[in-house]
Amino acid sequence: QVQLQESGPGLVKPSETLSLTCGVSGYSINSGYYWGWIRQPPGKGLEYIGSIFHPGSTYYNPSLKSRVTISVDTSKNQFSLNLNSVTAADTAVYYCARLPKSPRSGGYFDYWGQGTLVTVSS
Amino acid sequence: QSALTQPPSASGSPGQSVTISCTGTSSDVGGYNYVSWYQQHPGKAPKLMIYEVSKRPSGVPDRFSGSKSGNTASLTVSGLQAEDEADYYCNSYAGSNNLVFGGGTKVTVL
Repeated sequence: QVQLQESGPGLVKPSETLSLTCGVSGYSINSGYYWGWIRQPPGKGLEYIGSIFHPGSTYYNPSLKSRVTISVDTSKNQFSLNLNSVTAADTAVYYCARLPKSPRSGGYFDYWGQGTLVTVSS
Repeated sequence: QSALTQPPSASGSPGQSVTISCTGTSSDVGGYNYVSWYQQHPGKAPKLMIYEVSKRPSGVPDRFSGSKSGNTASLTVSGLQAEDEADYYCNSYAGSNNLVFGGGTKVTVL
């Protein structure tokens, strides 16, 4: 059974970089699936941030592309999200998830982490 | 890329059916058979209910069904049960390796 677990600081200062990690258990991160990040501001809907296939491919939401980096650490079987120059609008619950296919091939999210709340505040 | 349009709320009595719409454009919903639906209970992570418009993952009751016509996709919950009360989100491929969600629909079981 695949399990995903987000970890990282719950509080980030404005203009700094939000960094989160998603640990994957029950499946090798470089065995043919895509891995992604989604966020949900308090009381609001879901927003796709981006996804990665190791090795070689990253895909980002155009609205966040200039500030986002997603990477994989195969030695730790985890992948990470960096979002720079954050503002209060980036306050959200951040979820990591697995995609069986690339976005252009019909990607969807079949396994999700429990989510972690990140607040942007000084 | 704008979010897909969903009604804010929908409701039905136990045993009845409720249908949620998800309207996009020919650049997303209408252009690809890549619509998925997620159920989210308060404080919980979303759960995949439907993928590729009408396919159900293992373990999802057949009370849940999906369809699409033109630029609008739909999720129907038949035989409504108390545990179906939740928020539901649609998602579609939107071209250029991007995915877009709907704004969400709160389903209330009366």
